[in-house]
Amino acid sequence: KQEVTQIPAALSVPEGENLVLNCSFTDSAIYNLQWFRQDPGKGLTSLLLIQSSQREQTSGRLNASLDKSSGRSTLYIAASQPGDSATYLCAVGGAGNMLTFGGGTRLMVKP
Amino acid sequence: EAGVAQSPRYKIIEKRQSVAFWCNPISGHATLYWYQQILGQGPKLLIQFQNNGVVDDSQLPKDRFSAERLKGVDSTLKIQPAKLEDSAVYLCASSSLQARNTIYFGEGSWLTVV
Repeated sequence: KQEVTQIPAALSVPEGENLVLNCSFTDSAIYNLQWFRQDPGKGLTSLLLIQSSQREQTSGRLNASLDKSSGRSTLYIAASQPGDSATYLCAVGGAGNMLTFGGGTRLMVKP
Repeated sequence: EAGVAQSPRYKIIEKRQSVAFWCNPISGHATLYWYQQILGQGPKLLIQFQNNGVVDDSQLPKDRFSAERLKGVDSTLKIQPAKLEDSAVYLCASSSLQARNTIYFGEGSWLTVV
């Protein structure tokens, strides 16, 4: 059974810092890995999708990497802004497009 | 394009009562998911439909939870009888067969069982 862990559970940083969120998974037989953002009281919004054959994906200030063999992914946020404050969720995609989520990292970016 | 619609947004019920949540996916999306998200945790898949057939319901507590998608469009998730530990956000999501990896989530239905 796939298990996904995210570290740290919470993070508070001053505006402008570069930061890294970590995700680890136990079963390397994955189809893809996604990073989602969740704002309080809202649903999830997909940020980046990395296919199992890929090593990284970039979108604006966000960069996600995937190392399938070691069961790790990182989400790098450059020059953080208060608007980046949210919960970031890592989800591993398995057969049948089943997603297994980590517990999330709650990010607070202080002005 | 309209997003995934869910109702009600908020519900408070007493334990042992029943509750039903409704979801209308994005038009044309064949795949519909129900997730349960307990406060402070990531979402957990309860059931996945493709059209009106169940793809996976291995994590659905079938003694109290049921879900249906009779016409392959909208779906209802029911809990009866509710327990305190069912307090959570119930998220509905949908995706198309052509873009399976792009999943769109609704804003969720918040359930508090007292």
